[in-house]
Amino acid sequence: SQQGEEDPQALSIQEGENATMNCSYKTSINNLQWYRQNSGRGLVHLILIRSNEREKHSGRLRVTLDTSKKSSSLLITASRAADTASYFCAGNYGGSQGNLIFGKGTKLSVKP
Amino acid sequence: GAVVSQHPSRVICKSGTSVKIECRSLDFQATTMFWYRQFPKQSLMLMATSNEGSKATYEQGVEKDKFLINHASLTLSTLTVTSAHPEDSSFYICSARRPGGSDTQYFGPGTRLTVL
Repeated sequence: SQQGEEDPQALSIQEGENATMNCSYKTSINNLQWYRQNSGRGLVHLILIRSNEREKHSGRLRVTLDTSKKSSSLLITASRAADTASYFCAGNYGGSQGNLIFGKGTKLSVKP
Repeated sequence: GAVVSQHPSRVICKSGTSVKIECRSLDFQATTMFWYRQFPKQSLMLMATSNEGSKATYEQGVEKDKFLINHASLTLSTLTVTSAHPEDSSFYICSARRPGGSDTQYFGPGTRLTVL
């Protein structure tokens, strides 16, 4: 299976702390995307990092990509209670349709 | 950002009935849409890729006769769960991809299907 693995599966932190989530994948990717899902809702696209990029920032989000280790990390700085959600990485493996393979997700809980 | 809607958001049906779920791309024409299912506390599993005007491409293990996909227009794809059974109860999510090679997918809010 190409499905990626994420760790930790669950993460509980206090508001203001940083949250780091990791994702590993199995085969070469064109790009890797991070999505957020609030409970029982659809997914919101957060950030896309291409295979030739090593780091990308968007507001309080910082994503890194290490293609040699086939891994990526998502860092949320200065977390807020509203960041509580599940976070998924998804790899684009270059299929003609651009379909994504999702990791198992990290459930983040930020306590006020 | 783009908006993708799904209807209904929640449906409860009896075993043996068929249920149709609509996925609409509201502000761009989507030549490609995707259907996923998500079991509780699990990740999204791609079921099929829907292309406007052609047959859908199903992932391995997904029964095409059970999950009928129709992408009749550039803004609408439908998923029909035929002869639904309790094991089909799940969260079904669609996404749409902008034409022109964009890699970002825009997701609908999902449909919670409960089969009694």
